[in-house]
Amino acid sequence: EAAVTQSPRNKVAVTGGKVTLSCNQTNNHNNMYWYRQDTGHGLRLIHYSYGAGSTEKGDIPDGYKASRPSQENFSLILELATPSQTSVYFCASGGTIANSDYTFGSGTRLLVI
Amino acid sequence: QQQVRQSPQSLTVWEGETAILNCSYENSAFDYFPWYQQFPGEGPALLISILSVSDKKEDGRFTIFFNKREKKLSLHIADSQPGDSATYFCAALGTGGYKVVFGSGTRLLVSP
Repeated sequence: EAAVTQSPRNKVAVTGGKVTLSCNQTNNHNNMYWYRQDTGHGLRLIHYSYGAGSTEKGDIPDGYKASRPSQENFSLILELATPSQTSVYFCASGGTIANSDYTFGSGTRLLVI
Repeated sequence: QQQVRQSPQSLTVWEGETAILNCSYENSAFDYFPWYQQFPGEGPALLISILSVSDKKEDGRFTIFFNKREKKLSLHIADSQPGDSATYFCAALGTGGYKVVFGSGTRLLVSP
């Protein structure tokens, strides 16, 4: 069954530390996305990718980097984590007219202390 | 800027009632509108969607009504059940677009 898998499910990080959130998809979708979800803000796009080797800035990219080493994997990197980055992060694949419906992962809950 | 707006922010209905969730958008280039349902602790999942060439889409108890002229749409959940309690996101995508634009969501609570 096609799916999007995120790891870790929960993460506690210290301020100033490096955090890497991982995402793997078996949908064979070209496009992948990273969102954060905060109360009152809905889903906000951080970075996205059109395929292996590509990364693009979304609406709130500051403080985040992304890496797409393969069709299946898309990582979100916080080089210097801050408490304001405490949030729930969702990865998704899909999103073109050809396969225009997103498949989301189950999320990573990140707490930066 | 918020291109997709949802109202109300939260909604409580009794079991068996029809819940109505509203959505509006600004960009005339949007032509595909999916609704996503999210349960606590899970990622959003596609519930139902509509293309702008249609004014209505039904799937069981879920119906989308679409008004292109007014740039408005609504999700009607008939015979609401406690299991429908979730957050619902209205979203939009334009022709050739890659990025779905999400609204801020409506949290629905169905009381038994």
